[in-house]
Amino acid sequence: KQEVTQIPAALSVPEGENLVLNCSFTDSAIYNLQWFRQDPGKGLTSLLLIQSSQREQTSGRLNASLDKSSGRSTLYIAASQPGDSATYLCAGSKAAGNKLTFGGGTRVLVKP
Amino acid sequence: ETGVTQSPTHLIKTRGQQVTLRCSSQSGHNTVSWYQQALGQGPQFIFQYYREEENGRGNFPPRFSGLQFPNYSSELNVNALELDDSALYLCASSTGQNGYTFGSGTRLTVV
Repeated sequence: KQEVTQIPAALSVPEGENLVLNCSFTDSAIYNLQWFRQDPGKGLTSLLLIQSSQREQTSGRLNASLDKSSGRSTLYIAASQPGDSATYLCAGSKAAGNKLTFGGGTRVLVKP
Repeated sequence: ETGVTQSPTHLIKTRGQQVTLRCSSQSGHNTVSWYQQALGQGPQFIFQYYREEENGRGNFPPRFSGLQFPNYSSELNVNALELDDSALYLCASSTGQNGYTFGSGTRLTVV
């Protein structure tokens, strides 16, 4: 059974600092790894999708890496801004079209 | 291209009642999944539909049921509501290859 863990559960940084968010999973047989952002009381916004043959994805200030052998994915957010304050969730699927298994999320606060 | 839309956005029900939540999937997406998210936790998988057939179910009791329609929209039905059913219910759609797109969710409160 796949288990996904995100540590730390909460993180507070000053504006401008780089953010490093960690996601670990127990089953290396992971197909896709997807990072989401969630604002309080809202739905999930997809940030980056790392597909089975990929090791990394980048979009603007965001970069996500995936290391299946070590069971880890990392989301980097460069030069954080107060607008980056949100909860970040990672989720993996075992095969194309399979359910997502989520971590508990990391709640990020970027202080001006 | 329209995204995933869910209705209603908020709902208050009494314990023991029944509720139906609705989801319109993103255009071209034939897979719809439902998730339950309790406060402060990650979403938990309820079930998934592919071309009108259930093709995966999480650890939820049978009083959680669903449907997918020919246009790939979907419903989540919950019977005999309990206080612990209070949560944010999220719908997600996919083509099966390119990740999932989520709706804004329905906040259900059971009193």
